[in-house]
Amino acid sequence: DAKTTQPTSMDCAEGRAANLPCNHSTISGNEYVYWYRQIHSQGPQYIIHGLKNNETNEMASLIITEDRKSSTLILPHATLRDTAVYYCIALNAGNNRKLIWGLGTSLAVNP
Amino acid sequence: KAGVTQTPRYLIKTRGQQVTLSCSPISGHRSVSWYQQTPGQGLQFLFEYFSETQRNKGNFPGRFSGRQFSNSRSEMNVSTLELGDSALYLCASSLEAANTEAFFGQGTRLTVV
Repeated sequence: DAKTTQPTSMDCAEGRAANLPCNHSTISGNEYVYWYRQIHSQGPQYIIHGLKNNETNEMASLIITEDRKSSTLILPHATLRDTAVYYCIALNAGNNRKLIWGLGTSLAVNP
Repeated sequence: KAGVTQTPRYLIKTRGQQVTLSCSPISGHRSVSWYQQTPGQGLQFLFEYFSETQRNKGNFPGRFSGRQFSNSRSEMNVSTLELGDSALYLCASSLEAANTEAFFGQGTRLTVV
């Protein structure tokens, strides 16, 4: 699985968009980009995933660059409840469920 | 629909003991994965079970083992506990074994003293 690199921490004002970058320059063609978040004292929560097209759901949008070497998770209107650690991971599309997790980005949404 | 249930939530053991943690996946999910989370290392993959078979294994010593039952419930066991085994142990269930979102439980907080 490809390694991903994320900033250690970020701040965002409540109500503004939070843009969380992720670098995955060694990603292979059959690896998906997944985003999860972990709120303190809870298990990680799935947010969104994509292969090469941009994706949007009720939680967030995922923008993947054309060369697939990086992506950005966008929380359009961040709230205090979005304060969490956000993980970007690359997952092989085959039967390999092994996930390599980094330390993620700690996002603080400030009032 | 009930989520992933892990028991117990908290556990304190002494060095040298063994421990068994339990995970009940979401109904209908056949894949269960286990992770260890420590502050400095983040989440580390332990192993994955699908239809009672171990499909993948992480880089952990043989003291860490697991199994999955026919109802998809899974257990992991750690023998001869060490202080460094203190961590949050997370279980995740998925519908299939590949490329589907994983649903995590709240975890079991193990403290080894």
